[in-house]
Amino acid sequence: DVKVTQSSRYLVKRTGEKVFLECVQDMDHENMFWYRQDPGLGLRLIYFSYDVKMKEKGDIPEGYSVSREKKERFSLILESASTNQTSMYLCATRQSYGYTFGSGTRLTVV
Amino acid sequence: QKEVEQDPGPLSVPEGAIVSLNCTYSNSAFQYFMWYRQYSRKGPELLMYTYSSGNKEDGRFTAQVDKSSKYISLFIRDSQPSDSATYLCATPRGGATNKLIFGTGTLLAVQP
Repeated sequence: DVKVTQSSRYLVKRTGEKVFLECVQDMDHENMFWYRQDPGLGLRLIYFSYDVKMKEKGDIPEGYSVSREKKERFSLILESASTNQTSMYLCATRQSYGYTFGSGTRLTVV
Repeated sequence: QKEVEQDPGPLSVPEGAIVSLNCTYSNSAFQYFMWYRQYSRKGPELLMYTYSSGNKEDGRFTAQVDKSSKYISLFIRDSQPSDSATYLCATPRGGATNKLIFGTGTLLAVQP
């Protein structure tokens, strides 16, 4: 089974901090994705990557950037955290007919 | 109009009931449809996928697509307390990257 590991389950950060969320997959998949999940809004795509060093903006990229230096690792960066970025962040990798998600990182910005 | 719409619930049913979960979508070009199940404090996991119209069955779960009305459904027979979760419908937006668009999810509680 594909395993997608997100390094932190819970994070609390201060407004203005630079925040790194890490995601690692173990199945050599090219496509990796970052979503955020909010009540009433569902999952919204922030960024995705289809190869090493290749990235593309999703639907809500403002305030975020990403890094993919190695195929197995996809990082989401909050350049200057704000309270409206408090959310559940989910990393996913793509297989044939669906995505495999990590367990998520619950980020609280205070 | 949202591309995929889903009633958020919550939906509460007694154990053993038949559950019907539904989504509508706006773009007739969508062809693949998936259902994800998400337990509390976990990431979504793929439950079923279907292509085009018709039914697909897997154990107690049946996924149904009606392309004429742009309606997708997930039926759960003999529901169990372990089925209590949020159910999300999803479809690839299309194109080479196949980015998934999700419904907002329906919270289901099966009461023992």
